[in-house]
Amino acid sequence: GQQVMQIPQYQHVQEGEDFTTYCNSSTTLSNIQWYKQRPGGHPVFLIQLVKSGEVKKQKRLTFQFGEAKKNSSLHITATQTTDVGTYFCALNDYKLSFGAGTTVTVRA
Amino acid sequence: GAGVSQSPSNKVTEKGKDVELRCDPISGHTALYWYRQRLGQGLEFLIYFQGNSAPDKSGLPSDRFSAERTGESVSTLTIQRTQQEDSAVYLCASSSPLAGGRDEQFFGPGTRLTVL
Repeated sequence: GQQVMQIPQYQHVQEGEDFTTYCNSSTTLSNIQWYKQRPGGHPVFLIQLVKSGEVKKQKRLTFQFGEAKKNSSLHITATQTTDVGTYFCALNDYKLSFGAGTTVTVRA
Repeated sequence: GAGVSQSPSNKVTEKGKDVELRCDPISGHTALYWYRQRLGQGLEFLIYFQGNSAPDKSGLPSDRFSAERTGESVSTLTIQRTQQEDSAVYLCASSSPLAGGRDEQFFGPGTRLTVL
C-alpha cells in the first residue's frame, strides 16, 4: 500500500519561533489528513487536503498540499507551549495510513 | 456530546492469556476502525467495519487477533494467547457515513495493553 514518510522525526523549537514538518510520498496521493496527538492523548483531526496546491490555514497553522500531490507540509508560526505533541500526516483511503509523526517540544 | 469510548483504559495481562478490548463508537457512525500504536510510533491499521459490509481485516497481524461488531454499535477486539510484542495502545475510531468513509476519524482514548 501507499506509504507516507514524515520529517523530521523530532522538532525542538524555541517558543515564539516558526517550524515546518513535511510529509512525503513516492506516489500520488488522493488526499492527506493531519492529526495532532498530545502527550498521553489520542489523535485529533486537524485538516484534510484534497486539491493539488491546496493551502489551508487555521490560526497559526498553515497546511499545504503539493502541486504533484506527493507531499504536504504543516507550518506553525510563533510556536506556543500548547503546540507540544506529535503531528501525524495520514493518507485517508477509508483506513488511515499514518506517517511516523513529528514530535514537537517547545523551550519556553 | 459523547465521543468514542473504550474500555478498559489499561489492561495488564500475562503472556499467553486472552484479552478483550471494547469500543463504543459515536452514535450514528457506521464506520469503525481499530488501530495499534506501539510506544513512540505511528498508528498501524488493524481492521475496519462499515455497516453490514464484510470487515476489512487486512491489517490484523496474526490469527491471534480478531474483532467483532454488533450491528452499527459496539465492537470488541480480541487477542488470544497474548505475546509481549502485543503490548501497545489500541485505539478505536469512528467516522460519519456522510462522506463514504473518507472523512475525519474520531478517536477514542485507547486501551493501553501491557503483556508481562
